[in-house]
Amino acid sequence: NAGVTQTPKFQVLKTGQSMTLQCAQDMNHEYMSWYRQDPGMGLRLIHYSVGAGITDQGEVPNGYNVSRSTTEDFPLRLLSAAPSQTSVYFCASSYSGTGDVPKETQYFGPGTRLLVL
Amino acid sequence: SQQGEEDPQALSIQEGENATMNCSYKTSINNLQWYRQNSGRGLVHLILIRSNEREKHSGRLRVTLDTSKKSSSLLITASRAADTASYFCATDADNYGQNFVFGPGTRLSVLP
Repeated sequence: NAGVTQTPKFQVLKTGQSMTLQCAQDMNHEYMSWYRQDPGMGLRLIHYSVGAGITDQGEVPNGYNVSRSTTEDFPLRLLSAAPSQTSVYFCASSYSGTGDVPKETQYFGPGTRLLVL
Repeated sequence: SQQGEEDPQALSIQEGENATMNCSYKTSINNLQWYRQNSGRGLVHLILIRSNEREKHSGRLRVTLDTSKKSSSLLITASRAADTASYFCATDADNYGQNFVFGPGTRLSVLP
């Protein structure tokens, strides 16, 4: 399994531009989420999804859109990039079924480093 | 809002020594997790402890939870240079067990 993959690894945008951060997982996890990580702060939840067709807002959703048309993919869209959105973005997934691994265990992608000028 | 808060912010020790990091949180939890993040990488799950547990072990890791003090500690015994990383505690933000709040982390440096 590739686990959780994210593309691109690094992106530079100009203020006002839009873009989509891609996230995919091949573990058949129902739950997926997007976090941003800023220096000196923990991860903050942007949006999450409990299954295909279902999304909800996290702590810091403004300026971001998500959709979940398939179990595997959970793209994050920046509608009009702002310098305040300069950050490292992490996608994570988890499985709510039974097994040895606690269902609360989150599997993280390698991150996308975004710079907005 | 930040639920968990790690202490210290940074810790530097020699290889072979033990490292202890603490996490304090504000509201009731169902479980608390610890994650490790190597520089420039994603977070990796280390261990989960539930609110009805007081201590758990996994290899060289020992986690304790004191719900009366709303605090947890992560002990890494016989540290190695490869343990150099940032360590985060995460507490559940809702009763569904799928949303979590992460603290700002402890940066651990293990010197050879």
